Amino acid sequence: GAGVSQSPSNKVTEKGKDVELRCDPISGHTALYWYRQSLGQGLEFLIYFQGNSAPDKSGLPSDRFSAERTGGSVSTLTIQRTQQEDSAVYLCASSEGSGTGTYNEQFFGPGTRLTVL
Amino acid sequence: GEDVEQSLFLSVREGDSSVINCTYTDSSSTYLYWYKQEPGAGLQLLTYIFSNMDMKQDQRLTVLLNKKDKHLSLRIADTQTGDSAIYFCAESMADSWGKLQFGAGTQVVVTP
Repeated sequence: GAGVSQSPSNKVTEKGKDVELRCDPISGHTALYWYRQSLGQGLEFLIYFQGNSAPDKSGLPSDRFSAERTGGSVSTLTIQRTQQEDSAVYLCASSEGSGTGTYNEQFFGPGTRLTVL
Repeated sequence: GEDVEQSLFLSVREGDSSVINCTYTDSSSTYLYWYKQEPGAGLQLLTYIFSNMDMKQDQRLTVLLNKKDKHLSLRIADTQTGDSAIYFCAESMADSWGKLQFGAGTQVVVTP
């Protein structure tokens, strides 16, 4: 497909379980981002990957959250020992790589809705 | 807390103009963006403005930027029912290109 895809679209899990969320960016995009959208919290930046550089993890809320990007393409966001406050829509985006001070259009996927019971 | 603030709700009649406001705090922001999120869909970039510009017009959309007051607005002329959505403003930081700081979003409801 031409856009960013995410799977699963919905995930229901029990408190304490681990979950993995997947993101397939647009082909050729070197930058990939994860955001979290909670009710009343807006969009919260989590992490972004730019090419082979070390990822910017400054938005990850706790050490239960981690993300990988294999081969510069697909990314997986892992949440360990899920808590109820982790319930949210997790959005992935990708963009063409560029540098500081330049225009950066991010293309978003449809999101994964995570519900922790 | 958020560095980008927006009002949460706006109701407008079809055919009127909508104005969505946003304030930000980072004076070093390079680009400011407006994204639209329709129900069940991902975010879509509507328009953007570079920080050294005061105004940008794109068909029915007009973006105004007041750098002194750190105020950004989006005006939608001749608002249509298809404009009903959540609108997010976002800023990109000069020192962290990839990180977009979003506001909480403004839900716009267009009534006939």
